[in-house]
Amino acid sequence: GAVVSQHPSRVICKSGTSVKIECRSLDFQATTMFWYRQFPKQSLMLMATSNEGSKATYEQGVEKDKFLINHASLTLSTLTVTSAHPEDSSFYICSAIQGQGATGELFFGEGSRLTVL
Amino acid sequence: LAKTTQPISMDSYEGQEVNITCSHNNIATNDYITWYQQFPSQGPRFIIQGYKTKVTNEVASLFIPADRKSSTLSLPRVSLSDTAVYYCLVGPGYSSASKIIFGSGTRLSIRP
Repeated sequence: GAVVSQHPSRVICKSGTSVKIECRSLDFQATTMFWYRQFPKQSLMLMATSNEGSKATYEQGVEKDKFLINHASLTLSTLTVTSAHPEDSSFYICSAIQGQGATGELFFGEGSRLTVL
Repeated sequence: LAKTTQPISMDSYEGQEVNITCSHNNIATNDYITWYQQFPSQGPRFIIQGYKTKVTNEVASLFIPADRKSSTLSLPRVSLSDTAVYYCLVGPGYSSASKIIFGSGTRLSIRP
């Protein structure tokens, strides 16, 4: 099946620094990708919808200036956590749609664990 | 998207059949039902998808009654490796207009 890859899988950074997480669709083109955040023992929380060539759509309560999303190509979306703080430590997961509508399929990346010291 | 309700957790033993039910009372006519499995520190993995009646694949079965207001994921003869969180999602397929919202999921624990 289709593969969505995230990089890095783990990252540790100091408070105040910025961290970029990449999400790639390896064998298909994805006009739409989604970014989620997941805290321990909790469900996935949708942060934003990333559309190739246009601005991302952020969910209510998610700071667009803090979580910068860029979807510059049909196979790559990036999430940059700017000026990270310990409360940003979380598991970040991306997903991408292959196809559309009833025949579309949703594939998830392996996730990226961010730890801010 | 239709809101879903699942049990928070379930326990079972190896070799047993496990059935996880999801309620989606306001499911729309064009909505599909999809189940995902998630292991710790991994992204969700697709298990099965259906629209009505019964769907079966190599890992699970999905039972959907005629009114489609609920669905049941059936895992035959579970093993320890089936310990995971299972999510039920309901939506009209995927497109740039989709908003894939996860419910609380069901944390399944399998014991020896």
